[in-house]
Amino acid sequence: KNQVEQSPQSLIILEGKNCTLQCNYTVSPFSNLRWYKQDTGRGPVSLTIMTFSENTKSNGRYTATLDADTKQSSLHITASQLSDSASYICVVTLRNDYKLSFGAGTTVTVRA
Amino acid sequence: DAGVTQSPTHLIKTRGQQVTLRCSPKSGHDTVSWYQQALGQGPQFIFQYYEEEERQRGNFPDRFSGHQFPNYSSELNVNALLLGDSALYLCASSLLTASTDTQYFGPGTRLTVL
Repeated sequence: KNQVEQSPQSLIILEGKNCTLQCNYTVSPFSNLRWYKQDTGRGPVSLTIMTFSENTKSNGRYTATLDADTKQSSLHITASQLSDSASYICVVTLRNDYKLSFGAGTTVTVRA
Repeated sequence: DAGVTQSPTHLIKTRGQQVTLRCSPKSGHDTVSWYQQALGQGPQFIFQYYEEEERQRGNFPDRFSGHQFPNYSSELNVNALLLGDSALYLCASSLLTASTDTQYFGPGTRLTVL
């Protein structure tokens, strides 16, 4: 069973609208959580990284939140653009372990 | 400052053949990790190399092997290819001592096994 679960699996939004992606994890002990954006057929690109003590991190129109108590994170995309169409992957790193646990990703499609 | 590079971009092989994929890490990075990403799935960790040795390994058979060179570049070798090995293979580099540092991914090598 995957230790990092993302929802929804996919979503379609209109250009200019906002959306929120969810990530729940069970891995422990937790070190940090990262959100990556992956365009089709390309390598993932880092958007945000949060440690245990951080509960929000922004990168332009992307804002990530983290609740380490409930082991939940979200990625909010504001005023979506066509270029936001991609897969968004939640990645958790264990403390004292550099192996990353990946979610399956949420595929976002932005339509004009 | 070059990012992570991978070669080749695409590769087509037949079942039973062997393949070697290559990765050059981002300048200043000393650790290379390899991932397999099937279509529509998240990347799956294969193994990680540091100081020319395999530090950690995911749940992959011995057909998957690797190597890291003194210049920190790395190779992934897959023997006796199966149809199920068709995937995007990603290389990521990082600095071992920076546990919160972001892993930088290369563009990937798309392997198709016929």
